[in-house]
Amino acid sequence: EIVLTQSPGTLSLSPGERATLSCRASQTISSNYLAWYQQKPGQAPRLLIYGASSRATGIPDRFSGSGSGTDFTLTISSLEPEDFAVYFCQQYGNYLMYTFGQGTKVEI
Amino acid sequence: EVQLVESGGGWVQPGRSLRLSCSASGFTFGSYAMHWVRQVPGKGLEWVSSISWDSGGMGYMDSVRGRFTISRDNAKNSLYLQMNSLRPEDTALYYCARGPGLAVAKGYFDFWGRGTLVTVSS
Repeated sequence: EIVLTQSPGTLSLSPGERATLSCRASQTISSNYLAWYQQKPGQAPRLLIYGASSRATGIPDRFSGSGSGTDFTLTISSLEPEDFAVYFCQQYGNYLMYTFGQGTKVEI
Repeated sequence: EVQLVESGGGWVQPGRSLRLSCSASGFTFGSYAMHWVRQVPGKGLEWVSSISWDSGGMGYMDSVRGRFTISRDNAKNSLYLQMNSLRPEDTALYYCARGPGLAVAKGYFDFWGRGTLVTVSS
């Protein structure tokens, strides 16, 4: 099983600031099959990024993903009030053994 | 608009069974792989099971293999999860989620339902 470790656990920032979230895998993720999701309280997760760096439909370009191998990053270039949420990474490179990170909370 | 609506959750005693359903609309259901993902409220996400567009490919997380069965009915635009021999650690909000294509290999989830809560307790 590929274990994903997200850091930091909580990120305290202000609107307009840049957020950098990390996701580190216990082994290489094949084909950079890494996705990022945003979850707000009481809501289902929303897909932001797939394939490590491709934005999902309708996702603003302030969200960007990067990385390869075992180290991946989600960057929010300038935080909007609606961006304060929990963010999860997920690997799908290990066929039918998909795993998520434990999440990073972005708070004001 | 893509919509996924789960149902069938509730309270059940350990060792009993429950069947979850997911009704899909707003897209050609039979052209997409589908998945179940669960979340203990306030905690992280856990992939449970996946099924390809034609039911030819499916998979399960280790702790539910042999107890849970995923299935689908493309004529009814519906996904199911039969859960047997339930354990307290199966307590979670169960989400139905769509994959981006036909096969389960592209195992990320582009649309999610709101979830149905399963509580396993004596």
